[in-house]
Amino acid sequence: AQKVTQAQTEISVVEKEDVTLDCVYETRDTTYYLFWYKQPPSGELVFLIRRNSFDEQNEISGRYSWNFQKSTSSFNFTITASQVVDSAVYFCALVYDKLIFGTGTRLQVFP
Amino acid sequence: DTGVSQDPRHKITKRGQNVTFRCDPISEHNRLYWYRQTLGQGPEFLTYFQNEAQLEKSRLLSDRFSAERPKGSFSTLEIQRTEQGDSAMYLCASSRTGNEETQYFGPGTRLLVL
Repeated sequence: AQKVTQAQTEISVVEKEDVTLDCVYETRDTTYYLFWYKQPPSGELVFLIRRNSFDEQNEISGRYSWNFQKSTSSFNFTITASQVVDSAVYFCALVYDKLIFGTGTRLQVFP
Repeated sequence: DTGVSQDPRHKITKRGQNVTFRCDPISEHNRLYWYRQTLGQGPEFLTYFQNEAQLEKSRLLSDRFSAERPKGSFSTLEIQRTEQGDSAMYLCASSRTGNEETQYFGPGTRLLVL
């Protein structure tokens, strides 16, 4: 069965700290796709990144970086030098036609 | 490129009433998805369409729920005889066909059943 686990319910940091959000997934498929979405207080889910299972290269986009490790079934997300605007709930998801989401990690960045 | 739109953004209704939500996907997307999100949880899949065909329905979608996408463009989600447990955010997403395609979400419709 497909499953996504985000063990961290809530993380609080002070601005400029680095923070890593964990995501562990389960799937029997050999080809699969993982996603991260951000949900700010307004409620709309904003797409951040898509990663396929056959590309294990880590990705960096500005202050955001993602570490995909097939051996541990993890797809972790790091925000470097966090800012107050990063405060949101972050969801990791696996796609199986529909998206299967984790329960999300609420990140609070304090000034 | 306009994004996914949903209407209404908020709906308050009394228990037992029927409600209908609308979703307009990104124009070139042939897949349209409905999800439901309750407080503190991740979105849960309800149903999805490819063009006008409804390809999958979740067990969450009781017989009080019905979704349509009559011409393969916009979709409606109707809830009949609403219950307090139906209070949630209803999210719509659209994508091109294929698991590798990104689903883009609308702003959601927040439903409160009194």
